[in-house]
Amino acid sequence: AQSVTQPDIHITVSEGASLELRCNYSYGATPYLFWYVQSPGQGLQLLLKYFSGDTLVQGIKGFEAEFKRSQSSFNLRKPSVHWSDAAEYFCAVGAEDSNYQLIWGAGTKLIIKP
Amino acid sequence: DAGVTQSPTHLIKTRGQQVTLRCSPKSGHDTVSWYQQALGQGPQFIFQYYEEEERQRGNFPDRFSGHQFPNYSSELNVNALLLGDSALYLCASSLRTSGMTDTQYFGPGTRLTVL
Repeated sequence: AQSVTQPDIHITVSEGASLELRCNYSYGATPYLFWYVQSPGQGLQLLLKYFSGDTLVQGIKGFEAEFKRSQSSFNLRKPSVHWSDAAEYFCAVGAEDSNYQLIWGAGTKLIIKP
Repeated sequence: DAGVTQSPTHLIKTRGQQVTLRCSPKSGHDTVSWYQQALGQGPQFIFQYYEEEERQRGNFPDRFSGHQFPNYSSELNVNALLLGDSALYLCASSLRTSGMTDTQYFGPGTRLTVL
């Protein structure tokens, strides 16, 4: 069965510092991979997605993610965080043989230190 | 262009009651999916509606049912509420294309509290 693991429940980063949020998945074939962000009172917003091709994916708000098949990972990165990036981040995976239903990680809450 | 809207924002019910949540999809979208997000967890897929029919269903009991109207809006109904049904219920809309290429747009959710 597919699964998604986000090992870090919380991450604290200083404003201006770089960020990496980890995501590991379990699936036999190449899945479809997503990162979403959820701010309080806001809906989930898609940051980026990977279907195929270039393994480094650029998203909105200066985020990028790299698909590493050998490590079953899809880590999210940002070179310099802003206070407005404080939110909860979710990694999700879907696949053709599960009718593209998204399986979600438990999320990582990003805290920004001034 | 209005995004996905959901109503109500918050709802408090007691065990055994029934609840109906509503969702209006983003303009131009024809597919609506419902998710349950318990506190501290990621969303879990409940079901998806397209052309007024339930097309896919996650691992949720029959107490959870839905409907899609001709204007693509949707309702989620939960009967015989349990304390464990307390969660944020998210609606997502998309345009049905091939497979996973359609991006889902999420509403702000309805916070259901069952006492």
